[in-house]
Amino acid sequence: ETGVTQSPTHLIKTRGQQVTLRCSSQSGHNTVSWYQQALGQGPQFIFQYYREEENGRGNFPPRFSGLQFPNYSSELNVNALELDDSALYLCASSPSHNYGYTFGSGTRLTVV
Amino acid sequence: AQKVTQAQTEISVVEKEDVTLDCVYETRDTTYYLFWYKQPPSGELVFLIRRNSFDEQNEISGRYSWNFQKSTSSFNFTITASQVVDSAVYFCALSEEKGNQFYFGTGTSLTVIP
Repeated sequence: ETGVTQSPTHLIKTRGQQVTLRCSSQSGHNTVSWYQQALGQGPQFIFQYYREEENGRGNFPPRFSGLQFPNYSSELNVNALELDDSALYLCASSPSHNYGYTFGSGTRLTVV
Repeated sequence: AQKVTQAQTEISVVEKEDVTLDCVYETRDTTYYLFWYKQPPSGELVFLIRRNSFDEQNEISGRYSWNFQKSTSSFNFTITASQVVDSAVYFCALSEEKGNQFYFGTGTSLTVIP
């Protein structure tokens, strides 16, 4: 087991720019979810992918989009960055929903 | 409405003391799952326990124990004989059978003082 790895670990972007965050799921896990964690808050669900299809979405605008690839790795894309997008973005994978997720260490995004 | 409430924002204890972290949840589903995760300063969420709504048996794992009470919608977490390495933010989370997301509480920051 290699766990969940995310890249980059830290990122600074300017308001209005676009960003892509990457996640490599744990081996055998076909479900991946992305969460946004603002400072001092609990993680908030962005969306989930199951076998390359979006399988649920939280209360985030369409400028937050994602992809899951055949090898179950995943991307989170955010367009037109806003200052409030500054947060820790966590990727989590699971062999199935409700089983329990393995989380990566996250990408710390700062928008200036 | 907040589905998971962790009323304790910060707790400090002296090493070797016992500490209980509270979690209250809200759901209309009859089948649901409750989780506890630990978040050290490095950022990743470390899975501690999963409990389904039909299993109210308390669980003990080493110094950790969990008390699930459906009557009060609570899923509390106790650390016995706390250690400095237990210092972290702890999150309680709920997932519902018909949903596909975790609802996290706002977390409890635990500091264990040597």
